[in-house]
Amino acid sequence: RKEVEQDPGPFNVPEGATVAFNCTYSNSASQSFFWYRQDCRKEPKLLMSVYSSGNEDGRFTAQLNRASQYISLLIRDSKLSDSATYLCVVNLTGGSYIPTFGRGTSLIVHP
Amino acid sequence: GAVVSQHPSWVICKSGTSVKIECRSLDFQATTMFWYRQFPKQSLMLMATSNEGSKATYEQGVEKDKFLINHASLTLSTLTVTSAHPEDSSFYICSAREVRGTSARGNEQFFGPGTRLTVL
Repeated sequence: RKEVEQDPGPFNVPEGATVAFNCTYSNSASQSFFWYRQDCRKEPKLLMSVYSSGNEDGRFTAQLNRASQYISLLIRDSKLSDSATYLCVVNLTGGSYIPTFGRGTSLIVHP
Repeated sequence: GAVVSQHPSWVICKSGTSVKIECRSLDFQATTMFWYRQFPKQSLMLMATSNEGSKATYEQGVEKDKFLINHASLTLSTLTVTSAHPEDSSFYICSAREVRGTSARGNEQFFGPGTRLTVL
């Protein structure tokens, strides 16, 4: 079983739709979690950290479910510019916080 | 957010030559830097973790003698692809992280813009 798993998609949604992605992780001792966005042929950019209490940033909401070992990203009112690959990152413990990436979920928002 | 630069942004070289890629954290001190490789339509693959002043830790399957990493200062890490071959052609991305205490928060990574390497 992979340490961090994501559905690669693609998710095809119309503008204005709400879409949600999940990311599961296998190591229960994982400490920190992030969502990154990667556009084609570009580097990943931090979208948001995921806190235990959940957090929201505009149209984006991230949540952590430690019991079921997954994090989620909800995008409301999708825009064309949201089209990208969304990467889940889990930092494993051990003092050095080694990051593990999911393979990413591709989102395509169409008019 | 924190800024990480990477140089060069792209390079084309002949098979057998060595290529050095620099990764710099511009406005913070990076105690840890990571080097990734990404092939088209695939996920980022961690190659090695670089800690300032110590030897890099390589992931399984990554040849340390082929991919030389030097993290000489808190703002600079370099990756040298020695004797590059066409199969080394890829998108190489570095990231930097400022580890603040033991808190899980704040341990975000900030990525450089990447270096596209093409070996002919």
